Amino acid sequence: SQELEQSPQSLIVQEGKNLTINCTSSKTLYGLYWYKQKYGEGLIFLMMLQKGGEEKSHEKITAKLDEKKQQSSLHITASQPSHAGIYLCGAVVRGSNYKLTFGKGTLLTVNP
Amino acid sequence: EAQVTQNPRYLITVTGKKLTVTCSQNMNHEYMSWYRQDPGLGLRQIYYSMNVEVTDKGDVPEGYKVSRKEKRNFPLILESPSPNQTSLYFCASSPWTSGRGGTGELFFGEGSRLTVL
Repeated sequence: SQELEQSPQSLIVQEGKNLTINCTSSKTLYGLYWYKQKYGEGLIFLMMLQKGGEEKSHEKITAKLDEKKQQSSLHITASQPSHAGIYLCGAVVRGSNYKLTFGKGTLLTVNP
Repeated sequence: EAQVTQNPRYLITVTGKKLTVTCSQNMNHEYMSWYRQDPGLGLRQIYYSMNVEVTDKGDVPEGYKVSRKEKRNFPLILESPSPNQTSLYFCASSPWTSGRGGTGELFFGEGSRLTVL
């Protein structure tokens, strides 16, 4: 079973709109990571969250880890075509012996 | 420059011909890992290593071998490649240690696209 569930699987938005991507686990997460990827290319590190309730921002992208450390959301404000790509969350799940698991990704399309 | 280097970046081979994808990092990281990425399946962990001579299976280890004889290198070995191993492979490293696992950025290589005919 997938230890990290991402939703939605894909998302199409109009340029300028806000959007949210979620990453959920049934277990406590250690070190939740968000990456962006252009399909077939390398992964670009966005941010890492460690503490419950922690929130970080990078340009127009904000990510938050909930208090229970089982869910994270990635929010993009005023989306631009440059935000298009695949967003991946990854985390070490409690009890996994440091096995780093990734969600299946969210494909974001931003229409001009 | 801090980086994770994979080679080759692109490879087309035939079924059964042994191949090795090399991975090297220059950040003195203890944690290294291999992933494969396939459409609809996302990024799946093949093997990982917490330190020299310490390796563990990830989610999809079948058909792969790894070794960690020195800290900087973590090669991925396909003893007898099959077409279902056609994929995009990523190597990653992190300053994680067994004492504080799950913290610190995970650095990725640029990927190796492997096609097995």
